[in-house]
Amino acid sequence: KNEVEQSPQNLTAQEGEFITINCSYSVGISALHWLQQHPGGGIVSLFMLSSGKKKHGRLIATINIQEKHSSLHITASHPRDSAVYICAVSNTGNQFYFGTGTSLTVIP
Amino acid sequence: DGGITQSPKYLFRKEGQNVTLSCEQNLNHDAMYWYRQDPGQGLRLIYYSQIVNDFQKGDIAEGYSVSREKKESFPLTVTSAQKNPTAFYLCASSKAPKTSGHYEQYFGPGTRLTVT
Repeated sequence: KNEVEQSPQNLTAQEGEFITINCSYSVGISALHWLQQHPGGGIVSLFMLSSGKKKHGRLIATINIQEKHSSLHITASHPRDSAVYICAVSNTGNQFYFGTGTSLTVIP
Repeated sequence: DGGITQSPKYLFRKEGQNVTLSCEQNLNHDAMYWYRQDPGQGLRLIYYSQIVNDFQKGDIAEGYSVSREKKESFPLTVTSAQKNPTAFYLCASSKAPKTSGHYEQYFGPGTRLTVT
């Protein structure tokens, strides 16, 4: 069993739709990270959070520590949001455990 | 601009040859990491280094070797002992981990290695 599980694996949405990607983890963590990987392969960090909720533009990330669950929401989705979204958790030694990613395609 | 560079972006090698992947950062980060990404799997840690001249094995170190002679550089050698070397390799760096803190990892653009 993976330490980090994401759902769904693949997601197709129409432009403008509200999107939710879920992440559950089974290990003790120091922080949870949402990452974005574009088709070229490079990965950028979207959020790092250890409690509550964070918002950057149209992206919102939430975490429930008691339930060991996090969600990434995208409001008013756009084709440029098409990418693989990866959930990862880190421990106090900054070792990361990664989910397998959610491949999002937003259709115009 | 500060960041992490990996070269080359694509690399082709014949089976039985060793190959070295480059990773350089100018973020003044102490910690550096090498990951391997395969289709349908999460990133897996190969090696990491928290300080110059010191490095630790990750979950899948067999068939790989690293060096950390300079803070900025953390090259990865894929040896002929690695049974399935074809993969996408990502380098990352972060501030040195401390028990009271947690830091983002910054990733390079990756190197896609194909061994035939």
